[in-house]
Amino acid sequence: DAGITQSPRHKVTETGTPVTLRCHQTENHRYMYWYRQDPGHGLRLIHYSYGVKDTDKGEVSDGYSVSRSKTEDFLLTLESATSSQTSVYFCAISASGAGAGYTFGSGTRLTVV
Amino acid sequence: QQQVKQSPQSLIVQKGGISIINCAYENTAFDYFPWYQQFPGKGPALLIAIRPDVSEKKEGRFTISFNKSAKQFSLHIMDSQPGDSATYFCAAEAGGTSYGKLTFGQGTILTVHP
Repeated sequence: DAGITQSPRHKVTETGTPVTLRCHQTENHRYMYWYRQDPGHGLRLIHYSYGVKDTDKGEVSDGYSVSRSKTEDFLLTLESATSSQTSVYFCAISASGAGAGYTFGSGTRLTVV
Repeated sequence: QQQVKQSPQSLIVQKGGISIINCAYENTAFDYFPWYQQFPGKGPALLIAIRPDVSEKKEGRFTISFNKSAKQFSLHIMDSQPGDSATYFCAAEAGGTSYGKLTFGQGTILTVHP
């Protein structure tokens, strides 16, 4: 989607390895979010950021960490990938963070074998 | 814990028919209710949204109905078209210092037959 890019788009990794997913935005939005999408669960919030170096945990944060060293980049790290982390990961951005809606990236399909 | 429950899981409608997707929530602090549409291989996209101070919002063929006392809201797609075939998610956001965090429903796969 325009203004927000996720990389990689697809990744296969082995159990126990660290993995980093990148979200890059060109909209200068303050708020950024990482969600995972799984059948039957909808989208669940992993971590979010409300400014540079300001991050907090979401509903399903165990096994994940994030970093935001500059406005445009929000990194999601799986510290030691497990098969339960096989999922589609979406990054989203929001200008105001309240009642503004999100713009989502195109997602990263991660498979942990 | 699923704070927003969405039904049905899947829905098949004939072209020209009405598609109805329902959501129920528990948290009375929710004060913003968007709907997202997702096509295969794409990220969800904001479709329409409502706040609880109104009971209905219409944008083209898409209407949200909101029942605050029942803590339910629904999406109606009038004159459904094959191009509407997608996955639909309802969501809810709590006011105050929620930082815009959304809680999503489980999703509904809509198929519109020609």
